[in-house]
Amino acid sequence: DAGVTQSPTHLIKTRGQQVTLRCSPKSGHDTVSWYQQALGQGPQFIFQYYEEEERQRGNFPDRFSGHQFPNYSSELNVNALLLGDSALYLCASTQLLYGGYTFGSGTRLTVV
Amino acid sequence: AQTVTQSQPEMSVQEAETVTLSCTYDTSESDYYLFWYKQPPSRQMILVIRQEAYKQQNATENRFSVNFQKAAKSFSLKISDSQLGDAAMYFCAYISGANSKLTFGKGITLSVRP
Repeated sequence: DAGVTQSPTHLIKTRGQQVTLRCSPKSGHDTVSWYQQALGQGPQFIFQYYEEEERQRGNFPDRFSGHQFPNYSSELNVNALLLGDSALYLCASTQLLYGGYTFGSGTRLTVV
Repeated sequence: AQTVTQSQPEMSVQEAETVTLSCTYDTSESDYYLFWYKQPPSRQMILVIRQEAYKQQNATENRFSVNFQKAAKSFSLKISDSQLGDAAMYFCAYISGANSKLTFGKGITLSVRP
């Protein structure tokens, strides 16, 4: 049973560019959340998708946007990249919120 | 707003010994869940243990147990018989019924000495 799959694993982008990160949730999970984890810090909530709609959003600018597809997979898009966007981006899926989230191994984004 | 505080940035334990990782949280909610996640160098966040706030009994998973003090808003993790594979970052996290996002602490780096 595959867990949460994220792609790519590593990415290097230039300041001002746009990036798309992808996530396939664990089988049976319908809710996908995205987190940003700066080096040495805890993950920060970006947003959550359920039934193809953004259900909740954290304190991130509109440059961060997302999408969920009918098969529950999700994308995170970041426009006009800043150096400060360099971080590990984690995708997490769940079916029952209190059951705990299953996390992917993340995408390491470096903005130069 | 809910907050999770892990005040110890690093801890070290001798293999086979016991270590306790501390966590406090702040919330006005009555319906919530608490979690401990482990993040090894592979980066994947792994669920270690969870505690429902309405349960008075402390959760236990093999060598891992928690000390949940609801009134004090404290949620510590005890690792017994520490193994080299326990070395990782550990994050305390919170989720409430009114809010479907996980709120994490800053984490603690645990090292295990052979």
